[in-house]
Formats: sequence, C-alpha cells, structure tokens
Amino acid sequence: NAGVTQTPKFQVLKTGQSMTLQCAQDMNHNSMYWYRQDPGMGLRLIYYSASEGTTDKGEVPNGYNVSRLNKREFSLRLESAAPSQTSVYFCASSIARDNSGNTIYFGEGSWLTVV
Amino acid sequence: GDSVTQMEGPVTLSEEAFLTINCTYTATGYPSLFWYVQYPGEGLQLLLKATKADDKGSNKGFEATYRKETTSFHLEKGSVQVSDSAVYFCALVPSGGGADGLTFGKGTHLIIQP
Repeated sequence: NAGVTQTPKFQVLKTGQSMTLQCAQDMNHNSMYWYRQDPGMGLRLIYYSASEGTTDKGEVPNGYNVSRLNKREFSLRLESAAPSQTSVYFCASSIARDNSGNTIYFGEGSWLTVV
Repeated sequence: GDSVTQMEGPVTLSEEAFLTINCTYTATGYPSLFWYVQYPGEGLQLLLKATKADDKGSNKGFEATYRKETTSFHLEKGSVQVSDSAVYFCALVPSGGGADGLTFGKGTHLIIQP
C-alpha cells in the first residue's frame, strides 16, 4: 500500500547545483502538492497542481519549478540551490480538486541540505 | 487570509497525564478542520478531522470538537503514552474547498516522559 512515494529521502547539494525531487501517488488522486517544513514555521505550500495539466504557485514558490508529468507524478526542481532551501520537503495528494473535508495524504519527506 | 494558531511547545507531560493542545483559526464561513501528527523521521498522518460546526473528530483516544463560536479545534487525550510523543499540526481547508490544500499551524512538539 504505497500511497505517496517521494525520492530521494536524503540529499546534500552544493550551492548552485540543481536537482529534482520526484513524487508519485497510486491513489488516483487529482490534486498534488509540494510543501516545505522548517523549524518554527510549520508547513508552507510551495506549488500545487489541482489537476493533471495545471500547476499553481503557493506561498513560497521562489527558487522552485514543478512539473505535473501525468496524473500520478509531480516533481519539484531546484534550478540553482541556495542554503535557504535547506529544508524537509513533503509531497502530498488529495482526491478532489475541491478538497473540502477530503484528507490530504503525505509522503515520508525528503531531507535536503544545501552547503 | 486564513490562518491557524496553535501553542508551539514543546509541551512536556508525564505518562497518563491529560493532554490539551489549543488550536484557534481565522477563516470565513465554515472551514474543515484537521489534526495531523508527525512522528520522528516520518511524514504527516491524519489524526482526525471535523467538517462542520459541533462535529467531534476522534481517533486513537484523541478527540477534538469543532467550535464555531470560539473558532477553536482543541486536541485532547485523557491519558497520554510515551508513544504519543510527536509533533501535532492543526490545519484547515476553507469552506467551499480550496484547490491549494491545507493551511497549517506551526506545530506543537509533544514530549511524554515515562
């Protein structure tokens, strides 16, 4: 029962390097999300995709790009990593575009350190 | 805009103590309210939810009641265990839904000592 799977789990980058975080869900959900979690800040939304073929900025999109490759997959790319992007990243998904009351399911997180 | 405020902690309790973690929200209408739990090194898991006023969500001995009059959704448990040590997040989705997901509080770190 995989749910939301994200890779890699841990990554260390040098400033200026690029990388892509991969996320896939097997629950046939329409909406997918990328959050970052920082101490004392809770979770903040980076980007979301309400349905296949659409993406929108969240609260903290600067320095990131996303691709909704198909209904299952939603990737997050850091084009030129900065130390301020050191964080834990969570991918999530929910069944409906209008997710009032619907549960959002989270992956296990990706710990990213930029040195 | 919508927001969620919760006590940040850490909250340290002894095993079998009574737990309350306060959560209040600011939103128009009737948002759906959630509590998520994050165990060390893991992602977030839904603990309980309530989608309309006066609803009570419950799971694993935890309860929270949606109080519209006080815009609150406080989490309670009668007797905590060491295994309840985790970070707890209160969250909301606005009324009518919201394609951009949850608005989270900053999380409350709960530590239960044997």
